[in-house]
Amino acid sequence: KAGVTQTPRYLIKTRGQQVTLSCSPISGHRSVSWYQQTPGQGLQFLFEYFSETQRNKGNFPGRFSGRQFSNSRSEMNVSTLELGDSALYLCASSATGVNTEAFFGQGTRLTVV
Amino acid sequence: AQSVAQPEDQVNVAEGNPLTVKCTYSVSGNPYLFWYVQYPNRGLQFLLKYITGDNLVKGSYGFEAEFNKSQTSFHLKKPSALVSDSALYFCAVRAGSAGKSTFGDGTTLTVKP
Repeated sequence: KAGVTQTPRYLIKTRGQQVTLSCSPISGHRSVSWYQQTPGQGLQFLFEYFSETQRNKGNFPGRFSGRQFSNSRSEMNVSTLELGDSALYLCASSATGVNTEAFFGQGTRLTVV
Repeated sequence: AQSVAQPEDQVNVAEGNPLTVKCTYSVSGNPYLFWYVQYPNRGLQFLLKYITGDNLVKGSYGFEAEFNKSQTSFHLKKPSALVSDSALYFCAVRAGSAGKSTFGDGTTLTVKP
């Protein structure tokens, strides 16, 4: 069974640009969550999608957005990039149910210069 | 609101000694508790979870965790540490039907030969 796939693995963008990250969940998983990981702030929840609907949202500005497609693949977009957006962005998928564990991708390392 | 605290940023143990990584949580309702491990430049990997039942949960790589409801704790343990256990460990809690997970800030475990 293929794991969670995130693309690209590494990305360098200039301040003010926008970026789109992609996540393909494990087959059959309908829940996809996104996290931002930085050395100073730890693992911060961005949002969760379930069956193409945003089910939960973290405390991030509106520049951060996402969506989920009918095949459960998800994208997140960050507009007007700031230096502070440099981070490892992790995607996790899980099966239906609150007692199920999350399966994480290897992440996309975004560097904003 | 739910929250997780990992009081130790860093835990150092000698190889062969027992290890404990601490986690306390706050949640309304019944908690679902998880431990994940992260190796450098990788996503998080699931170790074990507590859903209900026996307070001692066994997981991957010889790890176990003890759920203590009165102390709202879910400490990760291993009887004999290996150098290869050195990594970043995250505790997470989830409650309710919405499926949002809250992660602790992580504890860096270093096992020295």
